[in-house]
Amino acid sequence: NAGVTQTPKFQVLKTGQSMTLQCAQDMNHEYMSWYRQDPGMGLRLIHYSVGAGITDQGEVPNGYNVSRSTTEDFPLRLLSAAPSQTSVYFCASSAPWTGDYEQYFGPGTRLTVT
Amino acid sequence: DAKTTQPTSMDCAEGRAANLPCNHSTISGNEYVYWYRQIHSQGPQYIIHGLKNNETNEMASLIITEDRKSSTLILPHATLRDTAVYYCIVRHNNAGNMLTFGGGTRLMVKP
Repeated sequence: NAGVTQTPKFQVLKTGQSMTLQCAQDMNHEYMSWYRQDPGMGLRLIHYSVGAGITDQGEVPNGYNVSRSTTEDFPLRLLSAAPSQTSVYFCASSAPWTGDYEQYFGPGTRLTVT
Repeated sequence: DAKTTQPTSMDCAEGRAANLPCNHSTISGNEYVYWYRQIHSQGPQYIIHGLKNNETNEMASLIITEDRKSSTLILPHATLRDTAVYYCIVRHNNAGNMLTFGGGTRLMVKP
């Protein structure tokens, strides 16, 4: 299993541009989520999904959209990038209904908005 | 979810046990204690979790006080590769995939 994969690893955007951060998992996990981590801080939850077709907002959802059309993929869309969205973005997945409460994190996408 | 308090940083000598404390005085009866760590620039990695009993796995041991208001993560023989930020998180197991990360403890293992 590849686990949780994220692309791209690095991205530089100009203010106002839009882009999609990709996240995929091959563990058949029903739960997926997106976090952001600013320098020197802990992770903060942006959006999460408890299954295909179901998404909800986390702690810091403004400026981001998500969709979950398949179990495997959970893309994060930045609608109009702002310098405040410069951060490292982590995707995670889990399968709590199986009794495994561990969250598996991807390697992260480092985004800079100029 | 209950709030946690951890020291900002700690040092440990290589080969010695690293004991990382966490206070969670407002923990409720059905909340679990989870530990994750984040090695520089990588995604967080699950270490261990528990409810009230002490737990041990291949990575670490988790000691939870009888009143459940605090816990200690023990890395029995710390190596340089254990240098990381360690996060103590308290959550319900029905909280799905929502983890609330605080500042964590930056553990530096020194030769």
